[in-house]
Amino acid sequence: KAGVTQTPRYLIKTRGQQVTLSCSPISGHRSVSWYQQTPGQGLQFLFEYFSETQRNKGNFPGRFSGRQFSNSRSEMNVSTLELGDSALYLCASSVGGSNQAFFGQGTRLTVV
Amino acid sequence: SQKIEQNSEALNIQEGKTATLTCNYTNYSPAYLQWYRQDPGRGPVFLLLIRENEKEKRKERLKVTFDTTLKQSLFHITASQPADSATYLCALGYRAGNNRKLIWGLGTSLAVNP
Repeated sequence: KAGVTQTPRYLIKTRGQQVTLSCSPISGHRSVSWYQQTPGQGLQFLFEYFSETQRNKGNFPGRFSGRQFSNSRSEMNVSTLELGDSALYLCASSVGGSNQAFFGQGTRLTVV
Repeated sequence: SQKIEQNSEALNIQEGKTATLTCNYTNYSPAYLQWYRQDPGRGPVFLLLIRENEKEKRKERLKVTFDTTLKQSLFHITASQPADSATYLCALGYRAGNNRKLIWGLGTSLAVNP
C-alpha cells in the first residue's frame, strides 16, 4: 500500500503570495489532518477533513484554509504569506479520525 | 492552563542501555496517549498507543506506561541501538465536550552512542 504523499516537498515563496499544498492519503483512509510544525511550537493542528467535510479546526487565522475532494485527496491553502508561516506542513491520514495517524513526509515551506 | 510536556533536553545514552522518555500533561481528561518517532526532514511514524484504562503496553523493545493519577506516560526503549536515535513525540487524545482532540508534545531528541 502506498503511504501518504505530499507535494511539493519544498517550496520557497515571497511574503504576500499564496500557496497550495497537496496531500494524497493512504487508499481507503477518509480522514485527513493537517499540521504545522516549527521548532518552537511543535506540531500545531490546523484542520481535519472527513468525507469532504471539515470536522475540526485549530486556532489558525482565516488565511489558512483547506478542502477535501471526493477521492479523499486534500489541499491546504495559505494566502497572504507571512515570514512566520515558514514551517514544515504535515498531512496525516487515518481510517476513522483521531487514533493512529499515518504522516506524509511533509512540505517544507520557506517564506522570504 | 492545559499543556503537555516532554523532556526538553536531549537524551544521550550508550548503546545497549535502556532509554526512558517522559511525557507529562495537566488538566486534560485523557482518552489515550500515543508515541511517535520522527527523523529529520520526515513525518512522524506511529509507534504505540495506550488507552486510559491500560497501565502498560509493549511492542518488541518498546514499552509504554500510562499513569492517569500522576498524569504521566513513560516510554522505554530497551537494548537501545544507534538506529533508535531520533526525536520521539507524545500525543495525548483527550475529551473536549462531545469531541475528541489531540495535543502534541514538542518531542525529546534521543541520541544512542555506539
